[in-house]
Amino acid sequence: NAGVTQTPKFRILKIGQSMTLQCTQDMNHNYMYWYRQDPGMGLKLIYYSVGAGITDKGEVPNGYNVSRSTTEDFPLRLELAAPSQTSVYFCASSQQVTPLHFGNGTRLTVT
Amino acid sequence: KNQVEQSPQSLIILEGKNCTLQCNYTVSPFSNLRWYKQDTGRGPVSLTIMTFSENTKSNGRYTATLDADTKQSSLHITASQLSDSASYICVVSAEDSNYQLIWGAGTKLIIKP
Repeated sequence: NAGVTQTPKFRILKIGQSMTLQCTQDMNHNYMYWYRQDPGMGLKLIYYSVGAGITDKGEVPNGYNVSRSTTEDFPLRLELAAPSQTSVYFCASSQQVTPLHFGNGTRLTVT
Repeated sequence: KNQVEQSPQSLIILEGKNCTLQCNYTVSPFSNLRWYKQDTGRGPVSLTIMTFSENTKSNGRYTATLDADTKQSSLHITASQLSDSASYICVVSAEDSNYQLIWGAGTKLIIKP
């Protein structure tokens, strides 16, 4: 089982560029999440989804967008990259309140 | 303000030794407390989840304790192995969902041979 797969692993963006971070899961989980992890800080929830077609904002949604057209996929879109978005991004999935299953992250640098 | 604080920030111990990591929280209401292990360059992996009524939970050489009265938890690692080198993150849930998790910054544990 692949679990949660994130691509790309690394990316460098220039200020103002846009990109999509991909996330797919093969566990048929209804719930999916996007987090960012900054050095020395706890994970922060960006967006989450409770099922296909349903998304909601987390704690730090500004500058990001998501969509959930299928159960498996939950891409995260950065429209106008800013240096403050330099971070490691993690996608996760779960069945309701069972443990979160994380991907291995995308390390993004905005310069 | 809901907060989770972990100590120490980092810890170095010799292989085979035991260690205990601490977590204090000021989250209210309280639903459950979780411990995750995060290897360098990887996503976190769940170790334990404890609800209000549970005060000890084990997962192999990992034992988590919870004192809901003092709002403290600890993670005890027995007979450490090199593969235990990782960050250990305490997470508190304010409700019975995954939407309102308060994440600690983690304790970085290094096991030396």
